[in-house]
Amino acid sequence: QLVLTQSPSASASLGASVKLTCTLSSGHSSYAIAWHQQLPERGPRYLMNLNSDGSHSKGDGIPDRFSGSSSGAERYLTISSLQSEDEGEYYCQTWGTGIRVFGTGTKVTVL
Amino acid sequence: QVTLKESGPVLVKPTETLTLTCTVSGFSLSNARMGVSWIRQPPGKALEWLAHIFSNDEKSYNASLNSRLTISKDTSKSQVVLTMTNMDPVDTATYYCARVGRVDTPKGGAFDYWGQGTLVTVSS
Repeated sequence: QLVLTQSPSASASLGASVKLTCTLSSGHSSYAIAWHQQLPERGPRYLMNLNSDGSHSKGDGIPDRFSGSSSGAERYLTISSLQSEDEGEYYCQTWGTGIRVFGTGTKVTVL
Repeated sequence: QVTLKESGPVLVKPTETLTLTCTVSGFSLSNARMGVSWIRQPPGKALEWLAHIFSNDEKSYNASLNSRLTISKDTSKSQVVLTMTNMDPVDTATYYCARVGRVDTPKGGAFDYWGQGTLVTVSS
């Protein structure tokens, strides 16, 4: 079964970096994912696609502060130079033929 | 500029059928590489994919809701419609539509543009 696991929360100080993890279920370690940002009281926003080799392509207007990387079944989103406006929920998402799956989300708090 | 906008009732009663419409612009529903999905989010909870439809009328549904969902499109009106039968208070959520790629495209099956969402409350 295709499942994505995310930690419920992460925090870092203003101006620091935070690294979020999304783990693919057993047997799905080669899958690409996407990262989405959801700010408080807002709809989600597509950030990037992230492949198993760490290559990624970002959506329109996504700052360079957002980057992705991969290792095995883990997919990462790193936010550098953390800003107060980055505080919100971050979801990973993947797919198979005829199915789309979301992780449970990670709430990012800027200290 | 790609945009998607959801419309539909704000309030539905238990056992009623919900009908939501997604109106798109900036791309065509006849585009072979892209389709439209519906996703929902109960208050304070995570996103849940519901269904998608592509230009060739290929449809897929969330297995846990399959029997209650129907997705369709009107390409000439640039609209995608989702119906959900037998609504229950647990179906109270913000419903989003989003553009979605085919798995064999550069963006894969990612949702690359989202609507603003519409909150649907199920209550008598």
